[in-house]
Amino acid sequence: RKEVEQDPGPFNVPEGATVAFNCTYSNSASQSFFWYRQDCRKEPKLLMSVYSSGNEDGRFTAQLNRASQYISLLIRDSKLSDSATYLCVVTTNAGKSTFGDGTTLTVKP
Amino acid sequence: EPEVTQTPSHQVTQMGQEVILRCVPISNHLYFYWYRQILGQKVEFLVSFYNNEISEKSEIFDDQFSVERPDGSNFTLKIRSTKLEDSAMYFCASLFGNAGTGELFFGEGSRLTVL
Repeated sequence: RKEVEQDPGPFNVPEGATVAFNCTYSNSASQSFFWYRQDCRKEPKLLMSVYSSGNEDGRFTAQLNRASQYISLLIRDSKLSDSATYLCVVTTNAGKSTFGDGTTLTVKP
Repeated sequence: EPEVTQTPSHQVTQMGQEVILRCVPISNHLYFYWYRQILGQKVEFLVSFYNNEISEKSEIFDDQFSVERPDGSNFTLKIRSTKLEDSAMYFCASLFGNAGTGELFFGEGSRLTVL
């Protein structure tokens, strides 16, 4: 089983759609959780951290369920500029970050 | 805005040659990392470095790989004898604060092509 598993995608959605990405992790000792965004042939960039209480940043909402070892990202009112690969990242206490394979989103006009 | 810088942006080398990839992390960051991404595949952890020593490494980071922080600003990844399968984008990252909770800041990457 992969340490971090994401929806395989790709997701192709029209502008304005709501899209949700799911991620599960296997290491119950994992400490921190993040969503990164990666544009084609570019470096990953932090989109948002994920907390058990859930957190929202504009159109983006992230949720963590530690009991189910599950992380989600919801994008509302998607824009063309949201087209990218979204990476679920799980970090241990020692600072080792494991990336999921990524889920590619294409937002179409 | 401070950033992680990497050189070279692209290096082409022959199989068996030594390669050194260089990184300048953000100046007040304490933790340093190398990741690699083979084209079309996931980002893979190679090694983490803190307090002038390796804190963790993956199974990919075998005896062919080494890291060094020679002068307090540069952080280098050396591949002693490159193989075809080492062709990938290598990302350096740095982090300030608690290694378990902080944001990783990535450089733009160094693309290595082994012929």
